[in-house]
This record gives sequence, C-alpha cells and structure tokens, in this order.
Amino acid sequence: DVKVTQSSRYLVKRTGEKVFLECVQDMDHENMFWYRQDPGLGLRLIYFSYDVKMKEKGDIPEGYSVSREKKERFSLILESASTNQTSMYLCASSLRAREQYFGPGTRLTVT
Amino acid sequence: KQEVTQIPAALSVPEGENLVLNCSFTDSAIYNLQWFRQDPGKGLTSLLLIQSSQREQTSGRLNASLDKSSGRSTLYIAASQPGDSATYLCAVKETSGSRLTFGEGTQLTVNP
Repeated sequence: DVKVTQSSRYLVKRTGEKVFLECVQDMDHENMFWYRQDPGLGLRLIYFSYDVKMKEKGDIPEGYSVSREKKERFSLILESASTNQTSMYLCASSLRAREQYFGPGTRLTVT
Repeated sequence: KQEVTQIPAALSVPEGENLVLNCSFTDSAIYNLQWFRQDPGKGLTSLLLIQSSQREQTSGRLNASLDKSSGRSTLYIAASQPGDSATYLCAVKETSGSRLTFGEGTQLTVNP
C-alpha cells in the first residue's frame, strides 16, 4: 500500500514565523504535490515536483516555497506566515501520470 | 483553463438507496479522471481512476463512467450505507501535465 505521511496533523503558528510542513512517501514516486483546501475554494495546487531538486509553481505559489532534496521527501515552507495562510494543507504523490495518493493533511492555524 | 463542476453540492439519502454523483469538465483533452472520498478533517482517499480510453471502472459497490466527448463522469454507488457518508471529489488530469484540477465535491449523507 502507498503511504504518504505528513509531519503534523495540527499546527498553530504566529504571524511572521517561518513554518515547515514535511511530506514523506514510501513508494518511490517521482511526482509530489502540495495543495491547500479552503471552504468554497476547493483544492488548489501550490507547488509540485517531478524529480529531486525540480519544482514547478502551481496556481497559488505566492508566499510559499518548496524543497525536494530527496526523492521521498517534499517540504512546503511558509517564509513568513500570515493569517490568510490558515488552511488545510494536503500533500500527494504519484508515479508518473498515474493516480495521486494523498496524506492525512495538516490543519495549520496562523494567529 | 479547465473547470470541473460537481452537482449536487450536497445530497442526503436513506440507507439502501442507489445514487449517482455527477462531475462535468470543460476541456475534453484529459489524460484520466480520478474519484476521491474525503472524510471530515482527513485527507483524500482514491476510489477509482479512469483512463481517457476507458468508459468505466468498477470497485465493489462503486462504478464510475466517463464520457470524454461530452465532458462528463458519473459515480454510481449501489445500496448506500451510512459509512458511505463523506465528501466525494472528482479530479481530471490534462494531457499536458501532471496536475489535477478538482471539483468542489458533493457532500453525501446516508441516513440509517
């Protein structure tokens, strides 16, 4: 079974803090993705990576950066957290163009 | 730009009923379509993946169909159970990349 894990289920941070969200997959997938999910807006793609050290912007990359130093790990970084980044963050991975598998999500609250 | 719409936004049915969830997309040049289930506060669980060359996929009580030319997919759930209560999302992958475009989901409640 594919397993995608995220470092925290719930996270509370203060405005201006640097925040790291970690995602790890155990199936040697090339592609990894970060989404955020908000009521009324659905799932929106922030960044994705199709190989180690490779990244591409999604639909809403502003205020975020990513890092993929190893194939199994994809990190989302909020350089200076703001209240409008309070959201559910979901990581996913896929083998080439096949189905995406999601992690359990991280509920981030920025106060 | 691809847009995915799911109707209805919410559905409440009695246990045992057969039901259909609808998904439509604006650009028929898709690579595949995926149906997911999401329980409150949780991540997404993949239910079915239909490749663009396929017409349907089945898994247990679930059957998903795809009509690419008309930009539609349906998820059929047979003999619904309270445990089927969740939000169901469809997502399309376009031929030009790896990204998925999601609908906003149908929130299903199956009443005992």
